[in-house]
Amino acid sequence: QQPVQSPQAVILREGEDAVINCSSSKALYSVHWYRQKHGEAPIFLMILLKGGEQKGHDKISASFNEKKQQSSLYLTASQLSYSGTYFCGTDQGGSNYKLTFGKGTLLTVNP
Amino acid sequence: SQTIHQWPATLVQPVGSPLSLECTVEGTSNPNLYWYRQAAGRGLQLLFYSVGIGQISSEVPQNLSASRPQDRQFILSSKKLLLSDSGFYLCAWDSGGRGYTFGSGTRLTVV
Repeated sequence: QQPVQSPQAVILREGEDAVINCSSSKALYSVHWYRQKHGEAPIFLMILLKGGEQKGHDKISASFNEKKQQSSLYLTASQLSYSGTYFCGTDQGGSNYKLTFGKGTLLTVNP
Repeated sequence: SQTIHQWPATLVQPVGSPLSLECTVEGTSNPNLYWYRQAAGRGLQLLFYSVGIGQISSEVPQNLSASRPQDRQFILSSKKLLLSDSGFYLCAWDSGGRGYTFGSGTRLTVV
């Protein structure tokens, strides 16, 4: 079951904040977040595991609400380099050895 | 260190021709391997995944197939390409807590 991401696109000015949401209709074991620049492969940002946690590095952080089957990615004081498409990938655990990705959120940071 | 190699980077093939894309991983053993496809401006669609030699799980019925002849080699094939097979093909391996590492991708155009 493909997770639903929102918003589909967001435009920011440098220094502004953004939140990207990811929700699933299925119980989740983990949520991954990736960023993809145009024409390139996705790059891993972080993984959040069942148990409801929050993670972050630099000005990018994420939370995972296991009960609501939702995760949010927080980008604070955005930089031009944050531009790209952000994907969440969800894993239902068990013998499910695969990630199902959302359709992505296009983030554009302007000067 | 672990690395993933994918080739070729770009491919233009006529409708009805065969396809073979190769992916190899170095620096790890018995990795979980994946083939994803990304249509232009779209999300990541899981095609196949493998948890071991000769073990292939198919996610989407289509004219593509996958094989894993060696532990660190994953091959995507087709006997006859369709126009709808065009897209950006990405191989990935699961590094556990460090998420998926993607290859640099193959941009396939079927003409």
